[in-house]
Amino acid sequence: AIQMTQSPSSLSASVGDRVTITCRASLGIRNDLGWYQQKPGKAPKLLIYAASSLQSGVPSRFSGSASGTDFTLTINGLQPEDFATYYCLQDYTYPWTFGQGTKVEIK
Amino acid sequence: EVHLLESGGGLVQPGGSLRLSCVASGFTFNTYAMTWIRQAPGKGLEWVSAISGSGSNTYYADSVKGRFTVSRDNSQNTLFLQMDSLRAEDTAIYYCARIFVESDTDYRCFDFWGQGALVTVSS
Repeated sequence: AIQMTQSPSSLSASVGDRVTITCRASLGIRNDLGWYQQKPGKAPKLLIYAASSLQSGVPSRFSGSASGTDFTLTINGLQPEDFATYYCLQDYTYPWTFGQGTKVEIK
Repeated sequence: EVHLLESGGGLVQPGGSLRLSCVASGFTFNTYAMTWIRQAPGKGLEWVSAISGSGSNTYYADSVKGRFTVSRDNSQNTLFLQMDSLRAEDTAIYYCARIFVESDTDYRCFDFWGQGALVTVSS
C-alpha cells in the first residue's frame, strides 16, 4: 500500500499567518491527492482535489501544490474558522490511504 | 441538495455482525461510486471500502477484507456495509461519502459526506 507521510502532526499559528502542511507519498501518485478539513465532532470537508483544484465554495486562501511525490496545502491568512485537523488522501491506487493528519491550533 | 444519512450503528460484541446503511438524496445515486471511511476514537481517518455506481466493482482496505462487504440498492438510493467478525479495533465512527469524478480528467474526490454512525465493538 502507498504510505502518505503527513507533517507536521500539529502546529500552532495565529490569525493571519501563512500555514503549510505537507504530504509525501511513498510512490508516485500522479496528482491523485485531496485535502480534507475536519472540525471536532463533524464530518470531514473537501478542500482541494487533484492536488491543486479548489473545491467549489472553498475560500481562495486555501491552495494546493505538487512537486513529484510531495504535496502541500497552504492557507494564506489563517482565519479563526480554519483551526481544525487537515488530512491528505491519495486515491491513485487501492487501498486508498490518508495521511496521519495535522492539527492546526491557535497560538 | 445532496444529503447522506447513515444508520445502523450501535454496540456489538466481538465476533458479532452489524449492517450500516447510508441513504442518499439530492442526486442520481446510480451514477456515482460511493465509499466508506472510518475514524476510531481520537484517531485519524481510515479508508474502508468503495463500490462503483452499478455495484459491480468493490474495493476494500486490507484491515477489513474478507470480513466486510459493501453493496448498494440503487432502487432505494441506499449504500450498505455488512460488517462480520467484528473486532475491538473496528470501533469507530463510520462515514459514507459520495465519490465525484471530474469528467475531463478522471480525478476523484469525496465531495459529500454523511454525519457518521458510531460502531462500538465491546463485550
